[in-house]
Amino acid sequence: NAGVTQTPKFRILKIGQSMTLQCAQDMNHNYMYWYRQDPGMGLKLIYYSVGAGITDKGEVPNGYNVSRSTTEDFPLRLELAAPSQTSVYFCASSFSQGVEAFFGQGTRLTVV
Amino acid sequence: GQQLNQSPQSMFIQEGEDVSMNCTSSSIFNTWLWYKQDPGEGPVLLIALYKAGELTSNGRLTAQFGITRKDSFLNISASIPSDVGIYFCAGKYSGNTPLVFGKGTRLSVIA
Repeated sequence: NAGVTQTPKFRILKIGQSMTLQCAQDMNHNYMYWYRQDPGMGLKLIYYSVGAGITDKGEVPNGYNVSRSTTEDFPLRLELAAPSQTSVYFCASSFSQGVEAFFGQGTRLTVV
Repeated sequence: GQQLNQSPQSMFIQEGEDVSMNCTSSSIFNTWLWYKQDPGEGPVLLIALYKAGELTSNGRLTAQFGITRKDSFLNISASIPSDVGIYFCAGKYSGNTPLVFGKGTRLSVIA
């Protein structure tokens, strides 16, 4: 049972570099989410998707982009990395909106 | 944006003690969820609540959906060392809105 799989687990980026955080789920969930977790700040929603081809902004979308070409995958892209994007990123999925979400193990990103 | 107030921020307790934590919202929620996050891991769902007044248990954990629909409580009985971690509440407003998370309660258990 893979659940939600995130890659990579760790990454160090230089300011201005770009990268894509990968997220895949095998539970056939329509809803997928990207959160960032800063120390002592809980989880903040970056983007979410209610199904393939549909995405929407969350609380903190600036500096990020997403796409949802398939039900299984929901990659998060950082185009011009900034130190403020240093954080732990979690992908999650759920069967429907607002019910229990299943989380991946996270990607720890450091921008220097 | 919408906010949840979760308290306490952190707790240090002796093994065997009971633990209580809560979340409050300024708006009415129709779903409350409680998650636990172990170090280096993603949050894992503990208990889901969908009706005002609902009281649900999961082993030594008990959570309640407040009657006012603006709060929720999580209790852990007879704490053990593996209860260490960060506990998050999350809530959902009515309509097509994503979950909102509290800032977490960091629990430390002293053996």
